[in-house]
Amino acid sequence: AQKVTQAQTEISVVEKEDVTLDCVYETRDTTYYLFWYKQPPSGELVFLIRRNSFDEQNEISGRYSWNFQKSTSSFNFTITASQVVDSAVYFCALSVTGANNLFFGTGTRLTVIP
Amino acid sequence: EPEVTQTPSHQVTQMGQEVILRCVPISNHLYFYWYRQILGQKVEFLVSFYNNEISEKSEIFDDQFSVERPDGSNFTLKIRSTKLEDSAMYFCASSELPGVRDNEQFFGPGTRLTVL
Repeated sequence: AQKVTQAQTEISVVEKEDVTLDCVYETRDTTYYLFWYKQPPSGELVFLIRRNSFDEQNEISGRYSWNFQKSTSSFNFTITASQVVDSAVYFCALSVTGANNLFFGTGTRLTVIP
Repeated sequence: EPEVTQTPSHQVTQMGQEVILRCVPISNHLYFYWYRQILGQKVEFLVSFYNNEISEKSEIFDDQFSVERPDGSNFTLKIRSTKLEDSAMYFCASSELPGVRDNEQFFGPGTRLTVL
């Protein structure tokens, strides 16, 4: 069975601080895919990144970076120099080969205080 | 940029009534999905659909739910007899290829369903 755990329910940071959102996953599949989605107050789900299990290379996209560690089954997301517009709920998700669906974590609500 | 659209944005209904939630997937996409998010909880997979058939469904997707592609552009989710616990945000998604291996699922903005 697949499981995604986001232990941080809510995080508040002051603008310009860095923040890391944790994601721990469980799967017995050797091939799987990890995702992060952003859900702003307007409610839509915005795709941020997909990473497959064979690619442990960390990725940086502007102020966003992702740290994939298979040894600890973690796929953490860091926002550098946070901005008020980063305030949202962030979901980590997992999918496995042959499945059509995404397994989502419970989300982390990030509030960036001006 | 192409996007998935959903109507209505908010639907209020009485318990026991039937509702149809509508989605227009991205035009060249062949795979369609419905997800549900009960307020404050995680997003949960309901069903995937390809070639006019359900390809996968979760245990949430029981007999009161059905999906249909009535024409070349719409993809609908019908809830036959709504219950209070069906109140949730319903997200439609589409992808060009099956699953998530080499492509992403594009999500619509969601329909908030409130059952009174």
